[in-house]
Amino acid sequence: TQLLEQSPQFLSIQEGENLTVYCNSSSVFSSLQWYRQEPGEGPVLLVTVVTGGEVKKLKRLTFQFGDARKDSSLHITAAQPGDTGLYLCAGVAGAGSYQLTFGKGTKLSVIP
Amino acid sequence: DAGVIQSPRHEVTEMGQEVTLRCKPISGHDYLFWYRQTMMRGLELLIYFNNNVPIDDSGMPEDRFSAKMPNASFSTLKIQPSEPRDSAVYFCASSTRAATYYGYTFGSGTRLTVV
Repeated sequence: TQLLEQSPQFLSIQEGENLTVYCNSSSVFSSLQWYRQEPGEGPVLLVTVVTGGEVKKLKRLTFQFGDARKDSSLHITAAQPGDTGLYLCAGVAGAGSYQLTFGKGTKLSVIP
Repeated sequence: DAGVIQSPRHEVTEMGQEVTLRCKPISGHDYLFWYRQTMMRGLELLIYFNNNVPIDDSGMPEDRFSAKMPNASFSTLKIQPSEPRDSAVYFCASSTRAATYYGYTFGSGTRLTVV
């Protein structure tokens, strides 16, 4: 079983601060996805990273895939209360696989 | 498209009763997944289907759980008999073969409470 460890588990910050959350594994993934889940809803895809070393930006969110494709990070600049939610990373094991393995998530609270 | 539709949104049942959760995937998606989410264990894959055929049910906790997909637009997850430890949020998700890039589309979930 390929496991994804996310850290920190919980994060509470003030509006305007920057933060980084991490997703680590001992296994190689062919691609890695980040989802955000709001209370009472299902996870919603934010981004997919495919190439080792890849960096993608989505407004104030920056996603990076590690060179060895075993880890990823999500950096949020100037966090806003609307960023509050559970951030999940999910990995695809290999080519031809349609099965995602999810981390347990980082629960982010941004205080106004 | 209305997205993945799950029903009911909330279910409270007594221990020993049968529970049936329902899911309508996005039209044109040929993969369907059932997940269970708890604080302790996060999102766990229970079973997934491709073109209505169960492919991997190794995540189904025990024989009390069963899932069917009689056609491309409907799937059920049944628990019989239910137990308090089955209390969780159950999600259905669907995808195409391009899930490795475009990801899964999740429903809003069914919050199951077994008392």
